[in-house]
Amino acid sequence: DQQVKQNSPSLSVQEGRISILNCDYTNSMFDYFLWYKKYPAEGPTFLISISSIKDKNEDGRFTVFLNKSAKHLSLHIVPSQPGDSAVYFCAAPYNNNDMRFGAGTRLTVKP
Amino acid sequence: DTEVTQTPKHLVMGMTNKKSLKCEQHMGHRAMYWYKQKAKKPPELMFVYSYEKLSINESVPSRFSPECPNSSLLNLHLHALQPEDSALYLCASSQQGLYNSPLHFGNGTRLTVT
Repeated sequence: DQQVKQNSPSLSVQEGRISILNCDYTNSMFDYFLWYKKYPAEGPTFLISISSIKDKNEDGRFTVFLNKSAKHLSLHIVPSQPGDSAVYFCAAPYNNNDMRFGAGTRLTVKP
Repeated sequence: DTEVTQTPKHLVMGMTNKKSLKCEQHMGHRAMYWYKQKAKKPPELMFVYSYEKLSINESVPSRFSPECPNSSLLNLHLHALQPEDSALYLCASSQQGLYNSPLHFGNGTRLTVT
């Protein structure tokens, strides 16, 4: 049962524009969410997180929004840069030891 | 540079071979993990060690055998693997648990079983 879903396998945006990556979850017990970025031939790296007590968390060009009623979160990257081209995974801890990941969205930022 | 180091980066092995994957972290993290990732799929949890004790084994076949010699090291022993076991094997660590503490991943070992 995939409890974290990323329905867009790929996204292409122009450099300087906004990238919006979406994630839905089904488990209402999730209360902490993370985004990871993965370059080819590297492991995923932590990007940004949000607790369910917040609806927004910002870190530089990256902002994560959480809509608990819709069980939806999104990652905004503004402005997008070619170096942001990577696969982005949405994730949530199922329990204290088990992180559940979405299938990932491949972002391509064109110069 | 990643703070979780995995060796080797690539491994090709036959179905009758025995090999080991190694992972090391020096961040003082007390939980270490093995994940398996197939192409275009999310990482899937295999094993979790918390304070050097195996706490989760996600119904992984016995041809995969984890070992945690100390809080900084994690091994995955491989024996009699099948071609469908070919994947990227990721090691990760976290401070204690996953709530409010992100996973730190290594760069993985790309395993090919022939």
